[in-house]
Amino acid sequence: EDQVTQSPEALRLQEGESSSLNCSYTVSGLRGLFWYRQDPGKGPEFLFTLYSAGEEKEKERLKATLTKKESFLHITAPKPEDSATYLCAVPTNTGNQFYFGTGTSLTVIP
Amino acid sequence: NAGVTQTPKFQVLKTGQSMTLQCAQDMNHEYMSWYRQDPGMGLRLIHYSVGAGITDQGEVPNGYNVSRSTTEDFPLRLLSAAPSQTSVYFCASSYSRALTEAFFGQGTRLTVV
Repeated sequence: EDQVTQSPEALRLQEGESSSLNCSYTVSGLRGLFWYRQDPGKGPEFLFTLYSAGEEKEKERLKATLTKKESFLHITAPKPEDSATYLCAVPTNTGNQFYFGTGTSLTVIP
Repeated sequence: NAGVTQTPKFQVLKTGQSMTLQCAQDMNHEYMSWYRQDPGMGLRLIHYSVGAGITDQGEVPNGYNVSRSTTEDFPLRLLSAAPSQTSVYFCASSYSRALTEAFFGQGTRLTVV
């Protein structure tokens, strides 16, 4: 069964303490892996799309990487404003639907 | 641009009542979708549309109805509300089905008592 699994469920970091979030997927024939950020009480906001193993994308303190089975979202020297839930998603084989992971809730403590 | 606009932001319904959640987008996207988000369950697809006049079921369609008469609007109807439909609902749109980034609305927090 196709699925997307994110870990850890929650992560607390001190400001400046770098770490990584994981998204593993089992969908066959990957047609892109998407990362979103969701702030409390708001809808998810798009961050990155990765299409092939070895691809990397960066935005400020965030860097997303992709292998054949998983993606990592690396957070370098995080700040309190990076606190949010980070979601990953992959399209189904038909491309008509997304599978979403349950997210990682990140808290960065000043 | 307003992006994706959902109304209302909050709603309380009694069991058995019906209502419509509104969703409109101004980006001329063909693909629109409705999700519900529950703690520990992630975002689950209710219904989606690949264009005006075309709709299809997602993972959790029971108890919900949709129609797509225009490119801009994609309302979600709750036929007879049940406490199990208490959730946060998100509407989203994208340029090319689920193959490009989705733009989400701000959400509707629905409580069924």
